Amino acid sequence: GQNIDQPTEMTATEGAIVQINCTYQTSGFNGLFWYQQHAGEAPTFLSYNVLDGLEEKGRFSSFLSRSKGYSYLLLKELQMKDSASYLCAVRDWGYGGSQGNLIFGKGTKLSVKP
Amino acid sequence: DAGITQSPRYKITETGRQVTLMCHQTWSHSYMFWYRQDLGHGLRLIYYSAAADITDKGEVPDGYVVSRSKTENFPLTLESATRSQTSVYFCASSESLTIQETQYFGPGTRLLVL
Repeated sequence: GQNIDQPTEMTATEGAIVQINCTYQTSGFNGLFWYQQHAGEAPTFLSYNVLDGLEEKGRFSSFLSRSKGYSYLLLKELQMKDSASYLCAVRDWGYGGSQGNLIFGKGTKLSVKP
Repeated sequence: DAGITQSPRYKITETGRQVTLMCHQTWSHSYMFWYRQDLGHGLRLIYYSAAADITDKGEVPDGYVVSRSKTENFPLTLESATRSQTSVYFCASSESLTIQETQYFGPGTRLLVL
């Protein structure tokens, strides 16, 4: 079966670092995406991993371990505007489409406090 | 540069009525998707389309119908709306389904079925 787990909520302080974890079980892993979604808005793309290791993009980094079925999103120098939900999504060969459609986790709501 | 748009943004209807949600993209992307987002479930794929006149079911297709006569449009129809179809609906598009290709989401339609 397919399953993606993320913590439901997290709280962090402005200027700090926060790590949002994602564990997954899929039949045919073909890449992992992180999206940011502000309340009442559409998801927007943050990062993509298909090989093991760390991908860095400014204040945001994403890590993948395929053998452990595990990823995390690291946010540094937190700002108030980072308060949002963060969605982990896995592309799965067995979920239709030529390369596999995306399966989304339920999202982690991050609150950044002053 | 409009990108991807959805209409209406908000809709209230009654059970049993037919409702059509519109999605339009200006990028000439091949792939288009319809998702619903509900508390406790995250984003779930309803239908997707690889090209004009090619559509396929996602995870939760029951009660929905799609068509794609033109590349840029991908309407979603609820043939006989039910209260369980109250949700936020997101349309998305992607240029291809290569493994690193992300999806771009429209602003969403908030549907309330009374």
